Amino acid sequence: DQQVKQNSPSLSVQEGRISILNCDYTNSMFDYFLWYKKYPAEGPTFLISISSIKDKNEDGRFTVFLNKSAKHLSLHIVPSQPGDSAVYFCAATPTGTASKLTFGTGTRLQVTL
Amino acid sequence: DSGVTQTPKHLITATGQRVTLRCSPRSGDLSVYWYQQSLDQGLQFLIQYYNGEERAKGNILERFSAQQFPDLHSELNLSSLELGDSALYFCASSPLAGGTIGELFFGEGSRLTVL
Repeated sequence: DQQVKQNSPSLSVQEGRISILNCDYTNSMFDYFLWYKKYPAEGPTFLISISSIKDKNEDGRFTVFLNKSAKHLSLHIVPSQPGDSAVYFCAATPTGTASKLTFGTGTRLQVTL
Repeated sequence: DSGVTQTPKHLITATGQRVTLRCSPRSGDLSVYWYQQSLDQGLQFLIQYYNGEERAKGNILERFSAQQFPDLHSELNLSSLELGDSALYFCASSPLAGGTIGELFFGEGSRLTVL
């Protein structure tokens, strides 16, 4: 049972355009959400997070939007850069269980010149 | 470089064998987490230790066990290996105890291939 779903295995975007990565979850107990980025041969690195008390969190070129009623979140990257090419994982957790994260299967983003 | 060190990076072994994966957390981090990533799957949480004690358990098989030593390094032991155990095993650390939201720092992973 996949509680965190990333239905797009891959996404290709031109440099300078917006990248939108989507994530859906089914567990109503999840109230804290994170995005991790992973380059080949490296471990995932934390990118941005959002608590369920917010519907938007911004950090530079990265913005995460949360729609609790739809159990959907998205990561926007504007403008996209070639260095953003990586696999992006969405993760979720109930606050009470802290860092016991449930991850999605990832979306591979390719930013082309 | 996350500061989390995992060894070995690659390991090839046969079914029925036993292997040990090792993890050194970031300096000062008390929590260690183990995750398994099988082909085309997300990272699956296996187990968490905090300052030497088991703190949380995920879908870890009975054939798998882990421990965290007084110097805070951790080992994940996988026994009676099966083909389906082939995966990338990640260790992560964080300075916070369970119950507090925090960022995890991941190692590069240990790729296990069972033939």
